[in-house]
Amino acid sequence: EDQVTQSPEALRLQEGESSSLNCSYTVSGLRGLFWYRQDPGKGPEFLFTLYSAGEEKEKERLKATLTKKESFLHITAPKPEDSATYLCAVPIQGAQKLVFGQGTRLTINP
Amino acid sequence: DTAVSQTPKYLVTQMGNDKSIKCEQNLGHDTMYWYKQDSKKFLKIMFSYNNKELIINETVPNRFSPKSPDKAHLNLHINSLELGDSAVYFCASSHGTSNQPQHFGDGTRLSIL
Repeated sequence: EDQVTQSPEALRLQEGESSSLNCSYTVSGLRGLFWYRQDPGKGPEFLFTLYSAGEEKEKERLKATLTKKESFLHITAPKPEDSATYLCAVPIQGAQKLVFGQGTRLTINP
Repeated sequence: DTAVSQTPKYLVTQMGNDKSIKCEQNLGHDTMYWYKQDSKKFLKIMFSYNNKELIINETVPNRFSPKSPDKAHLNLHINSLELGDSAVYFCASSHGTSNQPQHFGDGTRLSIL
């Protein structure tokens, strides 16, 4: 069964304290992996697409990496404004839909 | 310059009523989606339309009926609302197939009394 699992469920960091969020997946024939950020009361905001193992993408303090079984979202020297829920999603081959993980709720304390 | 817009943002209604949520996108995308996000924040697809044609229906009760009058609009009508329908409903759009990123609206929070 196609599945996407994110860990940890929640993460609390001090401002400037770097860490990583994990997204592991079991899908047949990976066609890409997406990272989104969701703020309270808002829709998911697209961050990155990764299409193949070894690929990396960066945006400000965020860097996403992809292996054959998982993806990491590294956050370097985070600021309070980076607090949000981070979601990863994988398209299912042969079906035009995304399967989302349950998200990691990230809180950055000043 | 809103990309994907949904109305209303909040919807509070009684059990048994019928209600509609509207969605419009100005990104020129040809595929639109409805998702349901439950109380545990888990996002699950309900429907997908490509060029006004239904391509995904994820075993959603037939009380839910999507309608796509054109490529830029996908509305969701819900009949005989039940308590379990309380959730946040998100509309999204993308170019073509599932390996293109989807862009989401800000959601409609539906509360059933």
